[in-house]
Amino acid sequence: EDQVTQSPEALRLQEGESSSLNCSYTVSGLRGLFWYRQDPGKGPEFLFTLYSAGEEKEKERLKATLTKKESFLHITAPKPEDSATYLCAVRSSGTYKYIFGTGTRLKVLA
Amino acid sequence: DGGITQSPKYLFRKEGQNVTLSCEQNLNHDAMYWYRQDPGQGLRLIYYSQIVNDFQKGDIAEGYSVSREKKESFPLTVTSAQKNPTAFYLCASSTDSREQFFGPGTRLTVL
Repeated sequence: EDQVTQSPEALRLQEGESSSLNCSYTVSGLRGLFWYRQDPGKGPEFLFTLYSAGEEKEKERLKATLTKKESFLHITAPKPEDSATYLCAVRSSGTYKYIFGTGTRLKVLA
Repeated sequence: DGGITQSPKYLFRKEGQNVTLSCEQNLNHDAMYWYRQDPGQGLRLIYYSQIVNDFQKGDIAEGYSVSREKKESFPLTVTSAQKNPTAFYLCASSTDSREQFFGPGTRLTVL
């Protein structure tokens, strides 16, 4: 069964304190791994898509990486406006379904 | 601007009442989805549609119904059979195996 596990559930950082969020997955044939940012009361905002092990994507202070078993979202020198819930999802071969993790709630303190 | 719209933003339902949540997209995406989000839980799939006039049940379809008469539209009806409908509902669309794009959500509350 396809599964996505995110850790930690919650993370508090001081402004400028870099860290990483983890997304572990098991899937029968990865068609894509997706990262989203969700602010309270809003729909998820797309960040990155990764398709194969070794792939990396960057956007401002965020960098996503992918291995055969997990993905990391690295946050470099975070700012308070980076506070949000970060969601990871996968899509496997032969299906239109996306499997989501429960997210990591990030709080960056000024 | 291309995107996904959901309406209403807030919806209140009385016991025994059916309500319909609207979802429209102008991204020309073939696939559309409905998710339910509860506090502390991930997104749970209710229904999805890969093409007009066709849709499949997701993991928690009981008490919900959908239609897909137009490519742009995928309304969700929450029926009286859904015993605990209070939640945040999200509509999304995608093309092929690419990323999903989400609407702003509808918060449904049962009075």
